[in-house]
Amino acid sequence: GQQLNQSPQSMFIQEGEDVSMNCTSSSIFNTWLWYKQDPGEGPVLLIALYKAGELTSNGRLTAQFGITRKDSFLNISASIPSDVGIYFCAGLTNTGNQFYFGTGTSLTVIP
Amino acid sequence: DAGVIQSPRHEVTEMGQEVTLRCKPISGHNSLFWYRQTMMRGLELLIYFNNNVPIDDSGMPEDRFSAKMPNASFSTLKIQPSEPRDSAVYFCASSYSGDYGYTFGSGTRLTVV
Repeated sequence: GQQLNQSPQSMFIQEGEDVSMNCTSSSIFNTWLWYKQDPGEGPVLLIALYKAGELTSNGRLTAQFGITRKDSFLNISASIPSDVGIYFCAGLTNTGNQFYFGTGTSLTVIP
Repeated sequence: DAGVIQSPRHEVTEMGQEVTLRCKPISGHNSLFWYRQTMMRGLELLIYFNNNVPIDDSGMPEDRFSAKMPNASFSTLKIQPSEPRDSAVYFCASSYSGDYGYTFGSGTRLTVV
C-alpha cells in the first residue's frame, strides 16, 4: 500500500502555542484529509482538501494541499487542552478507490 | 443521523474463542471499511466493501479473519479462533462512493487473553 509519513510523531506544547504538522508521500494524491482521534473514540474528519495549493480553515485549524501534491500540512493556532489527540492525514490517489492513512501525530497540550 | 454504530464497544475473550464484531454504516453510504488499530502498526485497512461486495481483502491477516456484508445496513468481522495478538481496536467506517472522506464508528476494543 501507499506510505504516508507524518511528522512529528509526537508533540508536547504549552497551551496557547501554535502547532504545525505535516504529511508526506512518495505518490501524488488528488485528495487529502485530516482527521483527529480523541482517546477512546474513532477518528473524526476535520478538513478535506481537493486541489493542489488549496488552503482551507476550520476554526483554529488550517490545512494546505501541497503544490507538489505529495504533501499536506495542518496548523493549529492558539492551542487549547481539548486539542489533545492523535491527528491523521489520509490521501487518495487518482487511480485509487481507498484512502491511505498516515502514521499519526500525537499532540499533548500542557495547560 | 446516529453515525456509524459498532458493537460491542469492548470485548474480552479467551484465546481460541470465536469473536464477532458488528457494524451498522450510515444510511445511504455505499462503501464500508474495517480497520484495525494498534500502537505498533497504527491504522491498518483489513477489508472494504462497495455496494455490499468485498473489493479488497488483502489486509485481512489470515484465514482466521472473515468479513461479511449481507445487506447495505450491516456488516460483521469474525475472528475464529482468536489469538492474543488479535488484541486491538477495530474500527468500522463508511462513506458515499469512498472518496468524500470516511465516517468512523467509535470502535470495538478487543482483548484476547
